[in-house]
Amino acid sequence: EPEVTQTPSHQVTQMGQEVILRCVPISNHLYFYWYRQILGQKVEFLVSFYNNEISEKSEIFDDQFSVERPDGSNFTLKIRSTKLEDSAMYFCASSAPGPPAETQYFGPGTRLLVL
Amino acid sequence: AQSVTQLGSHVSVSEGALVLLRCNYSSSVPPYLFWYVQYPNQGLQLLLKYTSAATLVKGINGFEAEFKKSETSFHLTKPSAHMSDAAEYFCAVSSTRSGNTPLVFGKGTRLSVIA
Repeated sequence: EPEVTQTPSHQVTQMGQEVILRCVPISNHLYFYWYRQILGQKVEFLVSFYNNEISEKSEIFDDQFSVERPDGSNFTLKIRSTKLEDSAMYFCASSAPGPPAETQYFGPGTRLLVL
Repeated sequence: AQSVTQLGSHVSVSEGALVLLRCNYSSSVPPYLFWYVQYPNQGLQLLLKYTSAATLVKGINGFEAEFKKSETSFHLTKPSAHMSDAAEYFCAVSSTRSGNTPLVFGKGTRLSVIA
């Protein structure tokens, strides 16, 4: 069964450093998402992406975040200058062509630790 | 705006007992509703979803949920708990207004199963 994959599974970085989290969505999916889950808290939406542009973003997704689909398979989340509070599990998700594109399939996540 | 309330951050049941995890939602438009499960150190796995068809939805691993519009509820049940059901369960809502709408998650309910 097709699945969303994410790399790396864990990343440790120093505050102020740039990190890139990578995701390979399910191959025929057209909608892509990033969510994050700070330890002990609920899963929060960051951004959605369709047709090579951001379709929706939350208040969390400020100027230090960016997303890109550099090729036909990868979807990346870049954090330009990490802060301590960026430490979280980051989930990538994708959904099939709609409408409706209601079911989002999640990857296993990347655990980011900012020191 | 949409929101989800999960009553009880932690539910503990005996093996073989009924599992009931509560979820209430708020949505100004007809919702799609989802239950996801997260096993320790893993990503989110879709258990079941409601997309305006049958109000009683059956999912994987013997779980089911019933959409009750009058009560704005989508509670998750399983007749007989198994040790392997121990996990974090998240209820989520999205809008039917178009494709690729973000999921709004509840805070999650941790299910413990006692032998």
